[in-house]
Amino acid sequence: AQKVTQAQTEISVVEKEDVTLDCVYETRDTTYYLFWYKQPPSGELVFLIRRNSFDEQNEISGRYSWNFQKSTSSFNFTITASQVVDSAVYFCALSRANQGGKLIFGQGTELSVKP
Amino acid sequence: GAVVSQHPSWVICKSGTSVKIECRSLDFQATTMFWYRQFPKQSLMLMATSNEGSKATYEQGVEKDKFLINHASLTLSTLTVTSAHPEDSSFYICSASGTRSTDTQYFGPGTRLTVL
Repeated sequence: AQKVTQAQTEISVVEKEDVTLDCVYETRDTTYYLFWYKQPPSGELVFLIRRNSFDEQNEISGRYSWNFQKSTSSFNFTITASQVVDSAVYFCALSRANQGGKLIFGQGTELSVKP
Repeated sequence: GAVVSQHPSWVICKSGTSVKIECRSLDFQATTMFWYRQFPKQSLMLMATSNEGSKATYEQGVEKDKFLINHASLTLSTLTVTSAHPEDSSFYICSASGTRSTDTQYFGPGTRLTVL
């Protein structure tokens, strides 16, 4: 079965702290895709990153970085020097090849960054 | 690029009426559009997948006669909630992806439906 687990329901940090959001996935497929989306209070899901299963390179984009490790089936997301504007719910998601692009979402992690 | 719009952003209606929600991909052609429902403090629940020019595929437990989906063009899909009842009140979100099934989904801003 395919599954995405975000064990952290809520995280609260103080501005400028680094924070890591965990994502563990389950799949027996060899080809799959992993995503992170941000949902601010306005409600719109914002695409952050996509990773293919055959590309384990970590990625950095400004204050955001992602650590993809197939050995532990994890795709963790780190925000460096967090800011109040980072406050949102973050979703990790998995899609399988040949499944029409359906996304399997994790439960989401609500990040609160306090000034 | 990859902008998806939804209209209306919120709607309040009386029980028994029907409500139509539009989802448009503004700067790309969307072969596939998805409709989700989200309850407060919960994850997104996929309701159905629609491909341009064909019937939508509904997830188990979703009433296709209640939630009518039409994907008439490569840039527009509509969700009609028929004979809405208070339990249909929710946040409805659409997403669109390109011509390949492996394309990234881009999401609309959502529509908050309140049924009185």
